[in-house]
Amino acid sequence: QSALTQPASVSGSPGQSITISCTGTSSDVGGYNYVSWYQQHPGKAPKLMIFDVSNRPSGASNRFSGSKSGNTATLTISGLQVEDEADYYCSSYTSSSTVVFGGGTKLTVL
Amino acid sequence: QVQLQQSGPGLVKPSQTLSLTCAISGDSVSSKSATWNWIRQSPSRGLEWLGRTYYRSTWFNDYAVSVKSRITFNPDTSKNQFSLQLSSVTPEDTAVYYCARGGSGWPDWFDPWGQGTLVTVSS
Repeated sequence: QSALTQPASVSGSPGQSITISCTGTSSDVGGYNYVSWYQQHPGKAPKLMIFDVSNRPSGASNRFSGSKSGNTATLTISGLQVEDEADYYCSSYTSSSTVVFGGGTKLTVL
Repeated sequence: QVQLQQSGPGLVKPSQTLSLTCAISGDSVSSKSATWNWIRQSPSRGLEWLGRTYYRSTWFNDYAVSVKSRITFNPDTSKNQFSLQLSSVTPEDTAVYYCARGGSGWPDWFDPWGQGTLVTVSS
């Protein structure tokens, strides 16, 4: 199973909005509404920010939102804050009954 | 809230068995609404789901194809924890290993995660 495709890096200024894409195939992202997004700060474990495409777990900021169109899922962060600077990973359930992750996107808040 | 605490050695020799344990607080390893997963992260392989163990009147294990012949999960209800054993390790198995709780259905989301254990395979 190939990793999902994410941009290597994105950047934005405080207060702006950014999007991170996550592209897969009809066997994963496009076939199921089981896409999740994780935030990872250096040296820390990943933290769930979005599950099932667009749902936020308790504790996740409402500045984070998710969507999906076809084989591409998107994470949007609005009102960018300095503490949002981190690596972001998407994941999806697959037709092989496994989970595949994206390669990660480094978000820089300028 | 649910917390996961990992333990185990950070250095394993090639061809030996990697063993890690994940202690659960705030939930039960026997919960029928959760699954207990192992995930690793390395620069070369990125994040890789290794598999899960879960209880649904009996114990089930799902393993990733890439490690299926070498991996074992062992839940311990008396200590409310679960463990990972990966045999015949090579330097390719060097990674940060995480345990994580998953939902009750398909392998989908993971929350929370353990603190991670860097395991280096080297002689």
